[in-house]
Amino acid sequence: DAKTTQPNSMESNEEEPVHLPCNHSTISGTDYIHWYRQLPSQGPEYVIHGLTSNVNNRMASLAIAEDRKSSTLILHRATLRDAAVYYCILRRVSGNEKLTFGTGTRLTIIP
Amino acid sequence: GAGVSQSPRYKVAKRGQDVALRCDPISGHVSLFWYQQALGQGPEFLTYFQNEAQLDKSGLPSDRFFAERPEGSVSTLKIQRTQQEDSAVYLCASSLAALGTGELFFGEGSRLTVL
Repeated sequence: DAKTTQPNSMESNEEEPVHLPCNHSTISGTDYIHWYRQLPSQGPEYVIHGLTSNVNNRMASLAIAEDRKSSTLILHRATLRDAAVYYCILRRVSGNEKLTFGTGTRLTIIP
Repeated sequence: GAGVSQSPRYKVAKRGQDVALRCDPISGHVSLFWYQQALGQGPEFLTYFQNEAQLDKSGLPSDRFFAERPEGSVSTLKIQRTQQEDSAVYLCASSLAALGTGELFFGEGSRLTVL
């Protein structure tokens, strides 16, 4: 699977939007962009995924660059419960099924 | 419950003991994954099942690690002759689909401490 690059950590104020960047310059045409997050002492939790178009769900939005070499996870209004490690992962549709996690971005929310 | 259930949540073993970690996936989920997460690191893939077939075991670190899913539902990860470097959280995840876009549902993990 192609590799992703994320900042090690970010901080954001409560109730403000958060933009979490991810670079994936070696992405292939069959790679989906997945985001998971891991709250303290819990297993990872699915957030969102997309292929080419921007995606929205109840948790977040995913903005994908036109060349697909980068993406941004957007939390529209951060709460203290959003403090977690956020992982950006590329996952091929067919063949190897596993998710390959990196070290992610540790998001701290400031009250 | 409706989620992925793992047991035990915490296990302390003496070096050299064998341990078995259990995963109850969401009912009907075809795919099952095991991951190992060391402190401060992201989860590392261990092995993958599609129903009862173990299709990928490339992440198992040594032949002391063995996983099975004999009836295509519950899975057990067994670690023989545990070593201190095996101390980690072991995460199980399941997915409804066999294809690669399906959402993975993770359990809370089993924390193994080897003394």
